Amino acid sequence: SAVISQKPSRDICQRGTSLTIQCQVDSQVTMMFWYRQQPGQSLTLIATANQGSEATYESGFVIDKFPISRPNLTFSTLTVSNMSPEDSSIYLCSDQGLDYNEQFFGPGTRLTVL
Amino acid sequence: GQNIDQPTEMTATEGAIVQINCTYQTSGFNGLFWYQQHAGEAPTFLSYNVLDGLEEKGRFSSFLSRSKGYSYLLLKELQMKDSASYLCAVRDLSGTYKYIFGTGTRLKVLA
Repeated sequence: SAVISQKPSRDICQRGTSLTIQCQVDSQVTMMFWYRQQPGQSLTLIATANQGSEATYESGFVIDKFPISRPNLTFSTLTVSNMSPEDSSIYLCSDQGLDYNEQFFGPGTRLTVL
Repeated sequence: GQNIDQPTEMTATEGAIVQINCTYQTSGFNGLFWYQQHAGEAPTFLSYNVLDGLEEKGRFSSFLSRSKGYSYLLLKELQMKDSASYLCAVRDLSGTYKYIFGTGTRLKVLA
């Protein structure tokens, strides 16, 4: 199974600033995903990070607010831009296993916006 | 539209069996996944069904009926450590490749 790390694990940020979250996988993976999980809620997909092309965003999420990079097959970043308290959440990256029948998650980044 | 429903909360006793149901309506279907998530931790993969029937993995089993848009996760010989949220997710290939998560079921196991 893939091992996924995220940095930072948590942060407290001021309104109007931006935070970039890094996601590193210990093996090359085709698909990486970014999710948001608000307190007590399930996971909501923000976007699929595609290597070599722009990310594919879900309804309600836009590139200007959540720019994503995927420079290679083991690494991706998600930036939360111009933050407001409503962006306070846990952000998780995940990848799809080689046999496409599993999905592994990073430990998450707990973001609090004041 | 896309809709995946689970009960919000369930309570069961240590040693018992509990069944967590999941119903789904999605544009496309390419597999149903169950995850366990302890408070403050990331989800961990439990099971995958793409064909109808029961998949057994130790104390956990998962069932799928594609015609009914229905799955369940069966947990046997419950232990206190099974207290967690259980998330059902559908892989949908009809548009962009993605996983759609249900609302999650918080399971509390009592001594």
